Amino acid sequence: AQKVTQAQTEISVVEKEDVTLDCVYETRDTTYYLFWYKQPPSGELVFLIRRNSFDEQNEISGRYSWNFQKSTSSFNFTITASQVVDSAVYFCALRFHSGGSNYKLTFGKGTLLTVNP
Amino acid sequence: DVKVTQSSRYLVKRTGEKVFLECVQDMDHENMFWYRQDPGLGLRLIYFSYDVKMKEKGDIPEGYSVSREKKERFSLILESASTNQTSMYLCASSLPRTSGGPYEQYFGPGTRLTVT
Repeated sequence: AQKVTQAQTEISVVEKEDVTLDCVYETRDTTYYLFWYKQPPSGELVFLIRRNSFDEQNEISGRYSWNFQKSTSSFNFTITASQVVDSAVYFCALRFHSGGSNYKLTFGKGTLLTVNP
Repeated sequence: DVKVTQSSRYLVKRTGEKVFLECVQDMDHENMFWYRQDPGLGLRLIYFSYDVKMKEKGDIPEGYSVSREKKERFSLILESASTNQTSMYLCASSLPRTSGGPYEQYFGPGTRLTVT
C-alpha cells in the first residue's frame, strides 16, 4: 500500500521554539519521491522540498531542515526558531507508481502548526 | 515562476446546478490534477490528465467529470451539484514522467465551493 502518515494533527508552539513535524510513509516502489508542502491560511499549497529515494542526505534551507531515513521510512521536517509566519498546515506527500505510465501523489492528512507570539 | 490560476476563489451554487471550475497553468506542463480538500481527510485526487484530451480517474471521481481541450487548461465539472460536494478544490500541474523530473506538483490558490 502507498500511504503517508502524519501522526501529529496539531502542534502549538511559542515563537522561537524549534518544532519537528513527523512523516512516515509506506511504498512498494524502490524508486520514489517525497515532498513537503506548506498551506498558509490563504489556501495555496506551496512546494517546499523534494527528495528522491536514492538521496538520503539531510537538507537545510535557512531555518528549515529535513531528515530522510529510509531505514525507518521517515521524512521529518524541522523548523528552527519558529516564527508566527510559519503558522500553516504542512503536508507530506509521496509520489508513487500507480500503474502503466502513471504516477500519483498521495498526501498525509497534514499537521496544523500554530506559532504563538 | 510556475503559475497556476483558478477561475474563482469562492463560489456558491445551488443543488442541482452544473458547475464549472477552471484551471490554467502557464508552464507548459503536460500533467494536470484536480483535488478536493476536506477537514480530516486531507487532499484526495478526483481526476488527472497527462495530455490534451486524456484523462484518468483518481480516487474519488464519482459526481465529477473533466475536460482538457488545451494543454494549459483543465476544467472540473460538477454535472449536478450536491451539498456533499461543498469543499475546497485545488488544481495542480507538473512535468510528465518522461521528463526525468522534477516531479513536484504546483498548486493553484484553490476554489472554495459551497453548494446550498
